[in-house]
Amino acid sequence: DSGVTQTPKHLITATGQRVTLRCSPRSGDLSVYWYQQSLDQGLQFLIQYYNGEERAKGNILERFSAQQFPDLHSELNLSSLELGDSALYFCASSVDPTPSSYNEQFFGPGTRLTVL
Amino acid sequence: ILNVEQSPQSLHVQEGDSTNFTCSFPSSNFYALHWYRWETAKSPEALFVMTLNGDEKKKGRISATLNTKEGYSYLYIKGSQPEDSATYLCAFRGDRGSTLGRLYFGRGTQLTVWP
Repeated sequence: DSGVTQTPKHLITATGQRVTLRCSPRSGDLSVYWYQQSLDQGLQFLIQYYNGEERAKGNILERFSAQQFPDLHSELNLSSLELGDSALYFCASSVDPTPSSYNEQFFGPGTRLTVL
Repeated sequence: ILNVEQSPQSLHVQEGDSTNFTCSFPSSNFYALHWYRWETAKSPEALFVMTLNGDEKKKGRISATLNTKEGYSYLYIKGSQPEDSATYLCAFRGDRGSTLGRLYFGRGTQLTVWP
């Protein structure tokens, strides 16, 4: 158990809908990362938050957004869902994302999203 | 586009065999190379963080080496056991610009160890 929690574990929804995925980082970790794992793709970085502020953005679609709250949990919002958004979404957390750290990230169990 | 390549894509070995696989990454702007072990239905688990050229790390029967000048890392498993069956991921971290702080993952090597 990494200490990172994600809810829900599974989500089945229809095209056009909007869903929210939730992540709670390990105790003491200030940084949260979101990744997408699609079929035949490696883990794709979506976005990073540090202590409530967006720190880095990756291959995140405009239909997707995220935020990190004062209690450090994070939510990933996916809207106008398409079939291709079906994937495993991971959240990870780390203590210190500064350049001097080695940024070891601890992963949650993931949310499997199926868009029908 | 920053490419991290892992080979082979999958590997099937018998219990007791030793095995190794490769991670290739850019040789410039290197900061760290991470290895993760990912079992089905679980979350990726950190194995090693490697930072210096020539680094060797070991955890039980699993070890890894790093060559930053030529941009590759090897992961070795000695005397594979069925419980070693998992996908092994490597991730590159660069030291500047848009790569700073981000991890770029390869697609992984899926290892199956038969009893």
